[in-house]
This record gives sequence, C-alpha cells and structure tokens, in this order.
Amino acid sequence: GAGVSQSPSNKVTEKGKDVELRCDPISGHTALYWYRQRLGQGLEFLIYFQGNSAPDKSGLPSDRFSAERTGESVSTLTIQRTQQEDSAVYLCASSIGRVPGELFFGEGSRLTVL
Amino acid sequence: GENVEQHPSTLSVQEGDSAVIKCTYSDSASNYFPWYKQELGKGPQLIIDIRSNVGEKKDQRIAVTLNKTAKHFSLHITETQPEDSAVYFCAARGSNDYKLSFGAGTTVTVRA
Repeated sequence: GAGVSQSPSNKVTEKGKDVELRCDPISGHTALYWYRQRLGQGLEFLIYFQGNSAPDKSGLPSDRFSAERTGESVSTLTIQRTQQEDSAVYLCASSIGRVPGELFFGEGSRLTVL
Repeated sequence: GENVEQHPSTLSVQEGDSAVIKCTYSDSASNYFPWYKQELGKGPQLIIDIRSNVGEKKDQRIAVTLNKTAKHFSLHITETQPEDSAVYFCAARGSNDYKLSFGAGTTVTVRA
C-alpha cells in the first residue's frame, strides 16, 4: 500500500523482555517521527529522523528506548527491559521535507507489557 | 517547549447539532495549527489546518479559527453526522520547528 506501515499491530510481552517495533514510511518521505499514545492521552513525541541528519532523540523517556533508521527508509524502535508503564500505542508518521506540513500516521503498534 | 491544552475531553452531541473544541498554546512563535481525527484502531489523520497568517479557514462542515493574541484556536463541526464520532486532536508547531505538540484529545460522540 501507499501509506505508512507498522508492525506488529499488537505485541504482548512480559516485563523485562526487549521489543522491536518497525515502521515503513511512505516512499520519498524524508522525515519520520515516533510518537507514543498512552490510553486516553495525547501523542507524546519520542524521536525524529530527517534524511541523513542526526536524529532528535529529545523525547525518548529513558535509555531503554532507542531507534534507528536506515537512510530514508525503514525505522525500528527498540525498547529494552520493558516495564508496565511502557504499555501504549506507538505511532509512526512520515512527512515530506525538513519542515513538514501534514504528518501521515500509521495505524500504530499496540504494546502490552504484563 | 510548546504546551497545548485541549477542552473538553469528551463531547456528546445530537446528530445535526454543532460541536466545538477549543485549544490553547503557550509558544507565541507557533505558526502552524493542524487538527487530526483518529478513528478507533486507526492512526490520526489530518482534517484541516491553519497557519498564523489567517484567522479562519473552512472546509465544508468543518472550520477552524485562530486568535493569535489570546493564543487559542478552535475547531467547529456543523451539522454533525454519526461518522464524525472519533477522537480529535489539536496540535501546534513553532516556526523553524518540526515537532508537533499535541493536545490530549477530545472524544466526540454523535448521537443518532
């Protein structure tokens, strides 16, 4: 499809395990964002990638969170030693350009940490 | 950084009535204000946006207004329909910035 693709759509894991979430942005979109959405809350910025520039990691909540992006393609968000408070929907979005207008969101990866 | 507050958190309206959602922002340098609609199980989708050089924008049944002096902006949905039921998020972004700061969302329910 032509939209932003995220996988897995649902992930249930045990506390302490590591998880990896994947985002495939729209082809040609140089900007990629990860947001976290806790139940009933707004979207919390995590990290931003723009082309080959250094990413803005200022929103990552702890050093257990990391993300990578290969060029202008797929991105992976990794959460190590998951905690129950990490349970949320992780949304990826992509956009054209350095100062983008519309963000195109994927359907999210719902993470449940037991 | 930018702080966006959104009210109300829930809104129930009769089909055909209007719905209004209000947001305030803290950074006077913000110049872009989009609204996103999120349906159940989906990612948010842009429905309308406004830039700081205009005070109002309309697109069919939805309109946004911006008051830069008071640092608030609003979404108006007229003649509401059941398919308008969703969570709506306002957001703001400063000039030369790339991060959108989102409000906490408003769950709109349109009663048939």
